[in-house]
Amino acid sequence: DVKVTQSSRYLVKRTGEKVFLECVQDMDHENMFWYRQDPGLGLRLIYFSYDVKMKEKGDIPEGYSVSREKKERFSLILESASTNQTSMYLCASSFAGPWRKESTGELFFGEGSRLTVL
Amino acid sequence: SQQGEEDPQALSIQEGENATMNCSYKTSINNLQWYRQNSGRGLVHLILIRSNEREKHSGRLRVTLDTSKKSSSLLITASRAADTASYFCAVGGGFKTIFGAGTRLFVKA
Repeated sequence: DVKVTQSSRYLVKRTGEKVFLECVQDMDHENMFWYRQDPGLGLRLIYFSYDVKMKEKGDIPEGYSVSREKKERFSLILESASTNQTSMYLCASSFAGPWRKESTGELFFGEGSRLTVL
Repeated sequence: SQQGEEDPQALSIQEGENATMNCSYKTSINNLQWYRQNSGRGLVHLILIRSNEREKHSGRLRVTLDTSKKSSSLLITASRAADTASYFCAVGGGFKTIFGAGTRLFVKA
């Protein structure tokens, strides 16, 4: 089975702290994504990566950065956490994009990391 | 925005009844997907329907897609208490998979 593992299920941090959220997938997926989920807003894409060392901004990248040094690992970084970044963070991965005929577009999600910033 | 929007926001039914959730979107799509999320957990992919398909089945799930109306529906037949979850439609695929806010389904035993 595909497995996407997020390093922490629950974190509590203070305003101004640097926060690292780690995500590892074991299916050799090219694409990896970070979403945040807030009540009533659904999932919003923060950043994604389609290859090692490659990254693209999603819809809400402000206040976040990412790192993909290895294919299986995608990290989300909050340089200086703020209270409005309190949220559920979801990592996902998928096979390569639509130019590959075998791509389904299906996303595989981790269990989520619930971050509280005080 | 291609965001999918689900309707209703919440649905409460008895075990054994069918549950229908609808999704509308705004622009052309390659595919539409439905996901399920149990409380406090990650999302699990249920089914994908491509833009050239009209209907798809998977077990107790039936998905329809009407690209002329930019809408899709998810039908869960003979629902069970274990189907209690939030259900999301997602449009696009590839890099830009855009999710709606979800429908919360509660199935009473």
